[in-house]
Amino acid sequence: GAVVSQHPSWVICKSGTSVKIECRSLDFQATTMFWYRQFPKQSLMLMATSNEGSKATYEQGVEKDKFLINHASLTLSTLTVTSAHPEDSSFYICSARSPTEAFFGQGTRLTVV
Amino acid sequence: DAKTTQPPSMDCAEGRAANLPCNHSTISGNEYVYWYRQIHSQGPQYIIHGLKNNETNEMASLIITEDRKSSTLILPHATLRDTAVYYCIVRGSNAGNMLTFGGGTRLMVKP
Repeated sequence: GAVVSQHPSWVICKSGTSVKIECRSLDFQATTMFWYRQFPKQSLMLMATSNEGSKATYEQGVEKDKFLINHASLTLSTLTVTSAHPEDSSFYICSARSPTEAFFGQGTRLTVV
Repeated sequence: DAKTTQPPSMDCAEGRAANLPCNHSTISGNEYVYWYRQIHSQGPQYIIHGLKNNETNEMASLIITEDRKSSTLILPHATLRDTAVYYCIVRGSNAGNMLTFGGGTRLMVKP
C-alpha cells in the first residue's frame, strides 16, 4: 500500500535552535499534506495544511513564523520548528492524502532541552 | 465534518472479538466513516472505511447502522498487538479534507 515516510523519527535539540522534519509520500503524489502535533495522552491536533506550490494554511493559534512549512514538490513537505523552546517538545506527525484515503508518517518525537 | 463520540477506553481478552462503538448522529449523506488506530509512539494506521454498507478487510469489519448514526468496528480475534487508541472519524469525500481526530477509544487487549 501507499507509504508516507517521515524523518527523523526522533530528535533532541537545544533551546533556541531550529529543527527540520521531512515528510515524503513514497509511491503517490500528494498535492496536499497535513501536519499534526500530539502532546502526551492527547489526540492529534491539526497544525497546518501544506499545499504544493503555494503557502500553507495554518490552524488558529499556530504561529506561521515559528512553524515554517515548505511543500516544494508533490512528494515532499517539510516542517521547520524555528527557535525551538521546551514547550515545543511534542510528537509531530505528517499525513498525505491519496485519492481514497489518508496515510500517516511514523511521527517525529521532538525534545527541546 | 460530523462529530463522533467514542467510549474513552475498553478492555478485551486476547483471542476474543473486540467491538468498538462510535456514534455519529449528525453524519450527512456524503460523509464516510473512517477508522484509524494509533499504537503508542507511532503515526495513525488506516484500518477501514465505509459509507452505507458493511465493509470487511483483512484487519477488521465495519458495521454501519441503517440510519448511519452509529457504527461498530470489529476486530474478530484480538491480539496483544491490537492494543492501541482507535479513532472513528467522519469526513466528506473531498480529497482535500483533513482528518479531525477526537479522543478515540483506548483498547487494551489482555492475555
